[in-house]
Amino acid sequence: QVQLQESGPGLVKPSETLSLTCTVSGGSISNNYWSWIRQPAGKRLEWIGRIYTSGSTDYNPSLKNRVTMSVDTSKNQFSLKLMYVTAADTAVYYCARDPPGDITFDHWGQGTLVTVSS
Amino acid sequence: QAGLTQPPSVSKDLRQTATLTCTGNSNNVGNQGAAWLQQHQGHPPKLLFHRNNNRPSGISERFSASRSGNTASLTITGLQPEDEADYYCSTWDTSLSAHLFGGGTSLTVL
Repeated sequence: QVQLQESGPGLVKPSETLSLTCTVSGGSISNNYWSWIRQPAGKRLEWIGRIYTSGSTDYNPSLKNRVTMSVDTSKNQFSLKLMYVTAADTAVYYCARDPPGDITFDHWGQGTLVTVSS
Repeated sequence: QAGLTQPPSVSKDLRQTATLTCTGNSNNVGNQGAAWLQQHQGHPPKLLFHRNNNRPSGISERFSASRSGNTASLTITGLQPEDEADYYCSTWDTSLSAHLFGGGTSLTVL
């Protein structure tokens, strides 16, 4: 059973860069898309972007100027960087598997709360 | 932001049937279909249906999904207290090259 676990700072200062890592266990990271999704308190899910294990990426058009994703297949990890954060970026951040040819996410991490505050 | 439209809330009695809808357009639901996710308070979303109404193993047969044109539907029969949750539809938008989510429907079982 594939399991995902997010890790990273829970508090980021405004204008700085949010950095999170997702570790995949119970299966190989290869030959899949891996997505980041966030959810502000009481609000809808928002897709941030995805990375294929080859390194190719797709980003949410509304966030693409601030987002960078990377993958390290040797560690079974993929990562998110979101630059120039503001309070509006405060949310629970999830990593999820995004199977090729599908339109959704079949395995999710537990999520990690990131608060943007000085 | 572009997205899919879901009614914010639905309330139904125990053991009744609830039908939740998700409306998009020809660039997303109309040509890609929709998937459905269930989220209980404080937990990550859980996949109920892949595209084309494909139910993962372990999901109750009380849940079914369908699509007509640009609108997808999730039907839950014999409502139970544990069905009380938020339900999200999701899909891929071929024009935006992006995943989209609906705003979610909060289901209350009375």
